[in-house]
Amino acid sequence: EDQVTQSPEALRLQEGESSSLNCSYTVSGLRGLFWYRQDPGKGPEFLFTLYSAGEEKEKERLKATLTKKESFLHITAPKPEDSATYLCAVHGSGGSYIPTFGRGTSLIVHP
Amino acid sequence: DVKVTQSSRYLVKRTGEKVFLECVQDMDHENMFWYRQDPGLGLRLIYFSYDVKMKEKGDIPEGYSVSREKKERFSLILESASTNQTSMYLCASSLKGRAAGGISKPLHFGNGTRLTVT
Repeated sequence: EDQVTQSPEALRLQEGESSSLNCSYTVSGLRGLFWYRQDPGKGPEFLFTLYSAGEEKEKERLKATLTKKESFLHITAPKPEDSATYLCAVHGSGGSYIPTFGRGTSLIVHP
Repeated sequence: DVKVTQSSRYLVKRTGEKVFLECVQDMDHENMFWYRQDPGLGLRLIYFSYDVKMKEKGDIPEGYSVSREKKERFSLILESASTNQTSMYLCASSLKGRAAGGISKPLHFGNGTRLTVT
């Protein structure tokens, strides 16, 4: 059974204070690791897909990296508008189309 | 851009009512999903469909049913609404990819329906 654990559950940063969110996973054959951003009262918005260890993706102040056991979402010089819940999901090769989601990290960036 | 549209943003229903939540996607995706999201519990899968008229139970299907008569539309039905079904309901869609081996594609979510059952 695929498993995803995200840490920390909540993170408070000052504007400009860089940090990282962690997504630890166990799957039988990774077919994709996904990062999403969710604003309050809205559905998750897709950010990145990573497929193999060593892969990196960037978008503005966000950078996602992947190893064989975990993924990090690095936030460089965050702004208050980066405040959101960040979700990680994995899809293993077990034959199902259903991804496994973590519980998310709630990020608040203070001005 | 993929667009997943849920018919209502907010819905208030009474206990015992039959409730229909509608979801439409415009990108010809094979897969469609219904989740509910509650504080502290994360996303929980209710039902999943990988093709027209095909469905699979998720983690919490009790009290719910689904219908997929057309590829673009996936409906969630609460047969007899109860207060413990008060929640945020999220619909999502994705391309199929390949079930065994290969790569998978991300889910694209709608903006959710906040359902209150009184």
